[in-house]
Amino acid sequence: SQQGEEDPQALSIQEGENATMNCSYKTSINNLQWYRQNSGRGLVHLILIRSNEREKHSGRLRVTLDTSKKSSSLLITASRAADTASYFCATAAGSARQLTFGSGTQLTVLP
Amino acid sequence: SAVISQKPSRDICQRGTSLTIQCQVDSQVTMMFWYRQQPGQSLTLIATANQGSEATYESGFVIDKFPISRPNLTFSTLTVSNMSPEDSSIYLCSVGGGGYEQYFGPGTRLTVT
Repeated sequence: SQQGEEDPQALSIQEGENATMNCSYKTSINNLQWYRQNSGRGLVHLILIRSNEREKHSGRLRVTLDTSKKSSSLLITASRAADTASYFCATAAGSARQLTFGSGTQLTVLP
Repeated sequence: SAVISQKPSRDICQRGTSLTIQCQVDSQVTMMFWYRQQPGQSLTLIATANQGSEATYESGFVIDKFPISRPNLTFSTLTVSNMSPEDSSIYLCSVGGGGYEQYFGPGTRLTVT
């Protein structure tokens, strides 16, 4: 079963705008990760944030984590058409390497 | 990061038959994972495959339906047995990175008719 939910389920924006996706999870975590999937292909790891971190940046990506609310957000700034994809959060608990994925957000960036 | 290939990339199979999916990694890795992604859904972990030991299956998945082999540190197979239309999904393998991140293969798109 999914660890949690992501919202929105779908998001459509214009190129150049920012996109924000949210992820909620249910249990204690060691870290939370974000992945991108293009058109039902393999997933690409984007960024990992540890449970003792509150914010992390990587290029145009900004991730926040609020462990008290069991939630995370992914912000993509200055979006491009090539950012069109499904985005999934995934959590790891304790020392286990297994990941539990969220329900995903389908992002469409219009040129 | 590891480079992962899967074979076949897609297949259309008849009900009641079995399909074996191969996953090849370009480097030696300890942990390999198999996921199922049903149409329009997220990923669900089927099992973790470590070389030299039996695969560990998640709740709702059994070895008789999804037997897994892990003969060495660069290769694994997942068999989907006695298929039904409900098995139509994308099947993905992944490997653990140096930390907690995972690297995914391109997936196998299975359609059961």
